[in-house]
Amino acid sequence: EPEVTQTPSHQVTQMGQEVILRCVPISNHLYFYWYRQILGQKVEFLVSFYNNEISEKSEIFDDQFSVERPDGSNFTLKIRSTKLEDSAMYFCASRKTRSSTDTQYFGPGTRLTVL
Amino acid sequence: DAKTTQPNSMESNEEEPVHLPCNHSTISGTDYIHWYRQLPSQGPEYVIHGLTSNVNNRMASLAIAEDRKSSTLILHRATLRDAAVYYCILRPSNSGYALNFGKGTSLLVTP
Repeated sequence: EPEVTQTPSHQVTQMGQEVILRCVPISNHLYFYWYRQILGQKVEFLVSFYNNEISEKSEIFDDQFSVERPDGSNFTLKIRSTKLEDSAMYFCASRKTRSSTDTQYFGPGTRLTVL
Repeated sequence: DAKTTQPNSMESNEEEPVHLPCNHSTISGTDYIHWYRQLPSQGPEYVIHGLTSNVNNRMASLAIAEDRKSSTLILHRATLRDAAVYYCILRPSNSGYALNFGKGTSLLVTP
């Protein structure tokens, strides 16, 4: 069964450094998402992406964040200057259609630790 | 998005049925009811969804109240692998984007 993959599984970085989290969505999917989950808290939506542009973003997704689909397979989340509070699990998800009956498929996540 | 209310936690014995409730009294006529779950240290995964009629799939059943103000996810025979946080999420029919996760119900399955 096709699945969403994410790399790396764990990223450790120093505060102020840039990080890029990578995702490979399911190949025929058109909608892509990033979510994050701070330890012990709920899953929070960051951004959705369709047709090479951001469709929706949350208040969390400020100027420090950016997303890109640099080629036909990868979908990346960049954090320009990491803060301690960016430490979290970051989940990528993809979806084939816009229909609300369609499901989102999540990757296993990248654990980001900012020191 | 309309709000959902779920118990913080529930406990079940292995191989027993589990009924996970969700209240959504402000649901609109076009909101679909989706259930996702998150196993420990994993990303969320889709379980089931429905609009008005009860639904069954290989993972679970979804029972929707006639007035649609509540629903129940039914796991017919809980296994240890079903221990997870279960999220009930409403999806407007015209929305293609974010899933709005609440705190969900943490299900503990004991042998």
